[in-house]
Amino acid sequence: GQQLNQSPQSMFIQEGEDVSMNCTSSSIFNTWLWYKQDPGEGPVLLIALYKAGELTSNGRLTAQFGITRKDSFLNISASIPSDVGIYFCAGQLYSGGSNYKLTFGKGTLLTVNP
Amino acid sequence: NAGVTQTPKFQVLKTGQSMTLQCAQDMNHNSMYWYRQDPGMGLRLIYYSASEGTTDKGEVPNGYNVSRLNKREFSLRLESAAPSQTSVYFCASTLKGRTAETQYFGPGTRLLVL
Repeated sequence: GQQLNQSPQSMFIQEGEDVSMNCTSSSIFNTWLWYKQDPGEGPVLLIALYKAGELTSNGRLTAQFGITRKDSFLNISASIPSDVGIYFCAGQLYSGGSNYKLTFGKGTLLTVNP
Repeated sequence: NAGVTQTPKFQVLKTGQSMTLQCAQDMNHNSMYWYRQDPGMGLRLIYYSASEGTTDKGEVPNGYNVSRLNKREFSLRLESAAPSQTSVYFCASTLKGRTAETQYFGPGTRLLVL
C-alpha cells in the first residue's frame, strides 16, 4: 500500500518560533489533509488541500499541496503553548465511485516551551 | 449537534473477553470508519462502511467485526480480546465533497487488554 513519510517525528520549540513539518509519498494523491490531535482527544481537521500547487492558510497555519502531488508541508507561525499536540498529514486517493482511500502519516509531536 | 460520539471512553478487558465499541454520528454522513492508533504507528484503518448496509475491511481487520446498524451507528466488536488489541480506537464519519472526503473523528476509546 501507499506509504507516507512524515517528518520530523518530534519537535521542541520555544514559544514564538515558527514550525515546519512535511509529508512525502512515493505515489500521488488527489487530496492532502492536515489534522491536529490534542492529548486525549481525536484528530481534528486543520486544512484540506485539493489541487496540486494549492497554498492555503488557516490563521497562523499555512499548508501547501506539492506540485508533484507527492508531498505537502504545514507551517505554523509564531507558535503558542496551545499548539502542543500531534500533527498528522493524510493523503487521499480517489479512484471513482465511493472509493476514497486515506493514508495517514505517523505524526509529528510538537512541544512548545513557554 | 454532538458530531461523532464514542462509548465507552475507557475499558479494561481480560484476554478472551468480548466487547463492543459503539459509535454514533448526528451529521447525516454516509461513510463511517474505525481506526486504531498505536504509538509510532499513526492511524490504521480497521473497517469502514461506505454507506448504510455495506462494510469493508481496512488495513488491519483481523480479530474485529463491525456492524452498520443504521445510518447513524457503526459498532466495532472484539469477539476474543488479545493483548495486541490494546490501543486507542477512533471512529470517524465522512462529509463527502466533489472528489474528496474529510473525516470527522470521535474522542476515542482507550482499551487495555490484560
